[in-house]
Amino acid sequence: QVQLVQSGAEVKKPGASVKVSCKASGYTFSGYYIHWVRQAPGQGLEWLGWTNPKSGGTHYARKFQDRVTMTRDTSISTAYMELTWLTSDDTAVYYCVRDDTGDAYDIWGQGTMVTVSS
Amino acid sequence: QSVLTQPPSVSGAPGQRVTISCTGSSSNLGAGYAVHWYQQLPGTAPKLLIYANNNRPSGVPDRISGSKSDTSASLAITGLQAEDEADYYCQSYDINLNVVFGGGTKLTVL
Repeated sequence: QVQLVQSGAEVKKPGASVKVSCKASGYTFSGYYIHWVRQAPGQGLEWLGWTNPKSGGTHYARKFQDRVTMTRDTSISTAYMELTWLTSDDTAVYYCVRDDTGDAYDIWGQGTMVTVSS
Repeated sequence: QSVLTQPPSVSGAPGQRVTISCTGSSSNLGAGYAVHWYQQLPGTAPKLLIYANNNRPSGVPDRISGSKSDTSASLAITGLQAEDEADYYCQSYDINLNVVFGGGTKLTVL
């Protein structure tokens, strides 16, 4: 079936970087944009940006554009999101999501908990 | 502070009808961008509930509906059930092609 499977939970120290992977299966990886969305504990959803798996093109939210890099490896149908210079405010569940042709998020990964703590 | 404004909470008794509003501006909903709605049950990833203003994905019951008019949108749930208790989020785009979310609404079934 169509699914996105993310890498496991991470614990990082302030100032470190984290790289989360998102493996797609059950559909043509290059046919749909992948977005990244995060949710801090008890908070709402926050968009980080997207990557176009076909071209490698990206578009980042202004808030993160100096710290985030989104890449992909089409040979293994996997997207990646790397966030640098982590602070405690980056503690959140990070989701990769598939952007359907109608710009809605029809498939969500299971989420990756990233904890930033000294 | 979210770009799209939702009420923090709504409630209703079983069988009743509730609506959740989502208010934007001329830079997002008012610019013609569609609105989508998601349901998030406790401890789970959000799930697409309504796409492109008023369309239901396969498997979403027809007692759930959406509408949009200019800078605002709403989600309606009729015949409220205990399983509807969840957080609901609206989502759209802005004129800079950034994704914007509402702050979320907690639905309580009394």
